[in-house]
Parts: sequence; structure tokens; C-alpha cells
Amino acid sequence: QKEVEQNSGPLSVPEGAIASLNCTYSDRGSQSFFWYRQYSGKSPELIMFIYSNGDKEDGRFTAQLNKASQYVSLLIRDSQPSDSATYLCAVTGFNKFYFGSGTKLNVKP
Amino acid sequence: GAVVSQHPSRVICKSGTSVKIECRSLDFQATTMFWYRQFPKQSLMLMATSNEGSKATYEQGVEKDKFLINHASLTLSTLTVTSAHPEDSSFYICSAILRGRGGRVGTDTQYFGPGTRLTVL
Repeated sequence: QKEVEQNSGPLSVPEGAIASLNCTYSDRGSQSFFWYRQYSGKSPELIMFIYSNGDKEDGRFTAQLNKASQYVSLLIRDSQPSDSATYLCAVTGFNKFYFGSGTKLNVKP
Repeated sequence: GAVVSQHPSRVICKSGTSVKIECRSLDFQATTMFWYRQFPKQSLMLMATSNEGSKATYEQGVEKDKFLINHASLTLSTLTVTSAHPEDSSFYICSAILRGRGGRVGTDTQYFGPGTRLTVL
């Protein structure tokens, strides 16, 4: 079983819609949770991190964490074509980072 | 956010030569850096963990004698691909760990460099 699971997609949403990206993890001791965005041919870029249960909002992005259910999600409001990328979920525990394989998001104009 | 640089951004070399890639944390000290490799349309693959002042820890299947890692200072780690072959052509990405503030456990954040595209002819 992989440490971090993501649906590979592609997830297609129309411009202006809400994109919902999900991630589950196996280690209940995980402490920090991150979302990275990776454009084709580029390196990952940190979007958000969340440590506590609940929601964390930053502009059009909202990260949601539910430790009891062991999932973390990323909502992108008012999706734009420039949001089209692969989104990587990462989970840490005891100085080890575990990445999901990423979900490819396509935002159609 | 914290800034990590890599140099060079792109390199083309002949088979059998060695290539050195530098990774620098520009505005923070990083006792831990990671080296990844990514082939087209594939996931990040962790190659090794680079710790300042000690030997790197390599992931299973990664040849430590082929991929030499030196973490000489708190802001610099280097990856040397020795005797490069065409199958080593890939996108190499480093990252650096920014330690959490106030010693809070589990608040470390990983920042990535822009990557180095290696082509071995």
C-alpha cells in the first residue's frame, strides 16, 4: 500500500468552476500536509500546507484536512486555464516526506 | 517562500563524462536536502537524502557510486552524475528543508529548486 494515494486523473473542469482534488494517506502519525503544483517540464511549487484539522484558505485555494478519515483535499475556486497542472499531495512524519503520484487537472476555457 | 536555486538549468554532455549539479538554499540554511529524478510524464522519484556534514542516504536501487552527493555546507548540496549514459538523461530536481519555527514538531517545509535537465548523447 502506498503511503499517499491520489487519483491520477485527468480531472477536467470548466473555467470558473470549483476543482476538488483529493488525497488519502496511510500513516495516522502524519503531522504535516502539503499541496504542490507542477507545470509540465517544471519543478513542483508549494501552494499550501496545513497542520490542523479543518480548512485553511489562501486566495482561491482551500486546503481541508480530516485526520480521522486520513484525507486531505485541495479546492480551487474560480478555476482558470492557468491552473491546469499536476497537483502533488505530500505528507510528512518524522522528517520523511511522502508524495502522491499527482492528479492532473485540466481547466477548459 | 524560501528560495532554492539549481545550476545549471540545462546540460548536454557526451556519454562517459561526469556532470555536476549544484543546489543552493538562497535565504535559509538547510541541513537536509533531497535529490529527485523525474522522467517524462512520470512521478518524482526520490534518489537520496543529503545531510550536511554526513554521508547521503540513498534510496533502494540508486547507485551511490554513480550519483555522488556532497552536502558541503548548510546552503549547498551537489549531485555528480559520473560516467553518464543516455539512460541517465532526465530532469533532476533538488529540494531543501526549511525547518519549522520554534521547534514545533512536524512543521518542516520542503522547497524545490527549478530543476536541471540533463541530456546525455
